[in-house]
Amino acid sequence: KNEVEQSPQNLTAQEGEFITINCSYSVGISALHWLQQHPGGGIVSLFMLSSGKKKHGRLIATINIQEKHSSLHITASHPRDSAVYICAVPGSGGGADGLTFGKGTHLIIQP
Amino acid sequence: SQTIHQWPATLVQPVGSPLSLECTVEGTSNPNLYWYRQAAGRGLQLLFYSVGIGQISSEVPQNLSASRPQDRQFILSSKKLLLSDSGFYLCAWIRGLDTIYFGEGSWLTVV
Repeated sequence: KNEVEQSPQNLTAQEGEFITINCSYSVGISALHWLQQHPGGGIVSLFMLSSGKKKHGRLIATINIQEKHSSLHITASHPRDSAVYICAVPGSGGGADGLTFGKGTHLIIQP
Repeated sequence: SQTIHQWPATLVQPVGSPLSLECTVEGTSNPNLYWYRQAAGRGLQLLFYSVGIGQISSEVPQNLSASRPQDRQFILSSKKLLLSDSGFYLCAWIRGLDTIYFGEGSWLTVV
């Protein structure tokens, strides 16, 4: 079974700071997801990565397949970025059993 | 368009009472559907998944059950709730491991 570790678990930063959240996994994968969970509980998909880097607005996600590691960066952070960020990788059942999720990084951006 | 909905959004139930959470998908056929639970301070835990009508796989032995009575309907149930069943429940549709849609989530408090 793929084990997913995220760091840090909690992060508080000031508005405008550059944010980095890390995700490591134990078994080689074909894709990795970064998700955002809002305080109300709803979860949205931010990125799906299979290699290299993706950018969407102020969010940048990178993945190193060989090192089994991915990072999510937020540039010019803003209080509205405050949320839980979760990485997820395929489960061990050949895809049918869905994804394995990290425990999440709780990010707070203070004005 | 492709959407996924679940309800109810919140519920407070007494110990020993039954539970029914419903999830429906629109804009697709034969989706892979999943029920996850998120306990306080913990990651998303896979409860059940279904790859078709009447096909249910359980990941964790528990006080809950799931059913797939129709192609685009996935139901999470319990005959008698326990205090430990409290948490946030999410329905998800995962397509080919590269696309994830989550329902709005259901907050369950067992009292």
